[in-house]
Amino acid sequence: KQEVTQIPAALSVPEGENLVLNCSFTDSAIYNLQWFRQDPGKGLTSLLLIQSSQREQTSGRLNASLDKSSGRSTLYIAASQPGDSATYLCAVSNAGGTSYGKLTFGQGTILTVHP
Amino acid sequence: SQTIHQWPATLVQPVGSPLSLECTVEGTSNPNLYWYRQAAGRGLQLLFYSVGIGQISSEVPQNLSASRPQDRQFILSSKKLLLSDSGFYLCAWSPWVQNAFFGQGTRLTVV
Repeated sequence: KQEVTQIPAALSVPEGENLVLNCSFTDSAIYNLQWFRQDPGKGLTSLLLIQSSQREQTSGRLNASLDKSSGRSTLYIAASQPGDSATYLCAVSNAGGTSYGKLTFGQGTILTVHP
Repeated sequence: SQTIHQWPATLVQPVGSPLSLECTVEGTSNPNLYWYRQAAGRGLQLLFYSVGIGQISSEVPQNLSASRPQDRQFILSSKKLLLSDSGFYLCAWSPWVQNAFFGQGTRLTVV
């Protein structure tokens, strides 16, 4: 059974810092990995999707890497801003004909960026 | 472009009452549809998924059921709510095994 762990559970940083969020998964037979953002009381917004054959994806100040063999992914946020404050969730979709895009989520990292 | 609608946004229901949450997707056909729940202090858990009309798979045993009466409509139901059904319910769709797109969620409080 796939298990996803995110470290740290919470992170508080001053504005302008570069930061790294970590995600690990137990079963390396994944189809893809997604990073989501969740604002309080809201749904999930997809930030980056990395296919299992890819090593990284970038979008603006965000960069996500994937090391499938070691079961790890990192989300790098450059020059953090107060508007980046949210919960960040990592989710994997397992490979296999019966996966149907089902996602297994980590518990999330609560990020607070203070001015 | 594709959009997903989920309602209501919040709901307070007494124990033992029925439940119906609705989710619709626009701008696509034959999507995979999902219901997830986010309970307090816990991660997101997949409850149901559907790959086509009338095709429902349950991931965890529970007090809830799901139906897909139309291609782009997904309904989460219960005949009698329990306190433990409280949580944040999220509907999602995916164009087969690719990006997942989520609705804004329904905050359910069972009292």
